Amino acid sequence: EVQLVESGGGLVQPGGSLRLSCAASGFTFSDHYMDWVRQAPGKGLEWVGRSTIKAHGYTTEYAASVKGRFTISRDDSKNSLYLQMNSLKTEDTAVYYCCRVTWGAFDYWGQGTPVTVSS
Amino acid sequence: DFVMTQSPDSLVVSLGERATINCKSSQSVLYSSSNKNYLAWYQQKPGQSPKLLFYWASTRESGVPDRFSGSGSGTDFTLTIRSLQAEDVAVYYCQQYYSIPHTFGGGTKVEIK
Repeated sequence: EVQLVESGGGLVQPGGSLRLSCAASGFTFSDHYMDWVRQAPGKGLEWVGRSTIKAHGYTTEYAASVKGRFTISRDDSKNSLYLQMNSLKTEDTAVYYCCRVTWGAFDYWGQGTPVTVSS
Repeated sequence: DFVMTQSPDSLVVSLGERATINCKSSQSVLYSSSNKNYLAWYQQKPGQSPKLLFYWASTRESGVPDRFSGSGSGTDFTLTIRSLQAEDVAVYYCQQYYSIPHTFGGGTKVEIK
């Protein structure tokens, strides 16, 4: 059974940092692109960024709203995806989901981890 | 960036009736070499994570009831629920994965009359 479990969310002050983790199981993690998507309270879905696979150089892509502040990485030996978030702003408050990518679409989502940026 | 526009924002439908959700992309998501539309539909029930319903615009994900159908090509797409059931109450999102950033529509909330 495919499982994605995010962790690391919490309350942080503006300007602070947080590192989210996503533990994957039930599939060959190294074969899949992995993405982060967020959802602000009461709002819609916003794509945050992507990690490709080793064969594609582990390249990453980011939404303009987070580029330069957020960094996505992965450790295939630990079946884990990470999101390092720096210089956090109040508008980064959201539930953050990690997603498995198959044929381009997001076929599995984690349960999400909430991040609140507030003083 | 591709802008995905869904309509309506919300929909109130009687049990057993048809629900139709539209999604329009600001640019074509049809990849000519493969003749595939890079468009997905997701369902998000209250308090839950989103769930993939369709990819390539009309390919039903495993386990999705056949009362759900996806159609369209290029810039205009439709998600249809043939006979609405109580468990279909949710917000539905379209998403293009043709180009980064992979943008979502604003969502359509489906409720029971």
